[in-house]
Amino acid sequence: QTVVTQEPSLTVAPGGTVTLTCASSTGAVTTDYYPNWFQQKPGQAPRALIYSTTNKHSWTPARFSGSLLGGKAALTLSGVQPEDEAEYYCLLHYDGGWVFGGGTKVTVL
Amino acid sequence: QVQLQESGPGLVKASQTLSLTCTVSGGPVSSGDYYWTWVRQPPGKGLEWIGHVYSSWYTYYNPSLKSRVAISTDTSKNQFSLTLDSVTAADTAVYYCARGTVTTLVYWGQGALVTVSS
Repeated sequence: QTVVTQEPSLTVAPGGTVTLTCASSTGAVTTDYYPNWFQQKPGQAPRALIYSTTNKHSWTPARFSGSLLGGKAALTLSGVQPEDEAEYYCLLHYDGGWVFGGGTKVTVL
Repeated sequence: QVQLQESGPGLVKASQTLSLTCTVSGGPVSSGDYYWTWVRQPPGKGLEWIGHVYSSWYTYYNPSLKSRVAISTDTSKNQFSLTLDSVTAADTAVYYCARGTVTTLVYWGQGALVTVSS
């Protein structure tokens, strides 16, 4: 069973920068995994932020960016705003299906 | 404007079958461009990809659920459906339907809570 691992929680000050990562139990994450990132706030459905490693949707704020970092997919939030406090999930593609990471709770404090 | 809406019983007895339907507006479920997807989230826990259907009948399922799950489309009603057999308390979750492509999941429904009772 493939496992996708994220940091359980991260804390960042308003205006600061934080990087979330997404690792695969099968080895290094590459663009072939089409890494996606989602934001979820309490009581809401997930909202797509990043697809295919680096691509933003039309509604994705400029302060969010995706990349590959040290064999992992990464989501960087720069100039963090209070409204960025949320759970963030990565999603990786495997052999026709998808696997979500366990999620990272980002606290803005 | 693409919209998806889940519907179905909010309470299912253990050992029975969970059935949910997703009604789609803004695009045909028969389109081969999209992957019609189900995702679930147990209370207080993370997201789990269940599976998808595309081009009306090609399906792919999470290996951990494959023996119990089926996803199908009803093109006459522009809907797609999820059935999950032999449910237990561990299947209690918010179930989301979503529209995806080869590279992403973009549009999501609001989610439907299904509770499995003993």
